[in-house]
Amino acid sequence: GAVVSQHPSWVICKSGTSVKIECRSLDFQATTMFWYRQFPKQSLMLMATSNEGSKATYEQGVEKDKFLINHASLTLSTLTVTSAHPEDSSFYICSAGGGLTNTGELFFGEGSRLTVL
Amino acid sequence: DAKTTQPTSMDCAEGRAANLPCNHSTISGNEYVYWYRQIHSQGPQYIIHGLKNNETNEMASLIITEDRKSSTLILPHATLRDTAVYYCIVRAGGTSYGKLTFGQGTILTVHP
Repeated sequence: GAVVSQHPSWVICKSGTSVKIECRSLDFQATTMFWYRQFPKQSLMLMATSNEGSKATYEQGVEKDKFLINHASLTLSTLTVTSAHPEDSSFYICSAGGGLTNTGELFFGEGSRLTVL
Repeated sequence: DAKTTQPTSMDCAEGRAANLPCNHSTISGNEYVYWYRQIHSQGPQYIIHGLKNNETNEMASLIITEDRKSSTLILPHATLRDTAVYYCIVRAGGTSYGKLTFGQGTILTVHP
């Protein structure tokens, strides 16, 4: 299947700082990317949908000013957690559509684990 | 998107077939059934998807009932590496890139 890569895999930061997570589609162009968050022992929760060249669509309850999403190219989307706090510590996962077979399956990155001290 | 119901957990002996059921009684005509799995601390991995016909690939088989209200994912020869959370998801369109909504999934434990 198609490859989606996230960076960094894990990050530790101090409370109040901002953290940027990158999501890249390595071998295909992704017109749409999705960002999920997963807390321990819970399922994935969709945060926002990112379309190349347009503003992201956020799910209800997700603060758009806190979780900034930029999808400037067909192979890169970034999620910036601004003024991070300990409650933002989580596993952040991106997924991308538009794979080689173009049959609708979405491919996921390896995830980025954020720990806010 | 239609909601799905899966058992919370299942066990399977290594080398045996693992049959994971999923109910999606409110599925509509244009919705596909997708299966993903998530191994601990990794991103979800695509397994298989289908609309109404049974499907098979190198990882698994997907059996969809004639009324499409339920399906079964079959791992023909489970290994210890198949231990994971398995998610059954229904989503509109096979070529659209609509969002995937994850439920709680089934925790499959494969034991020696």
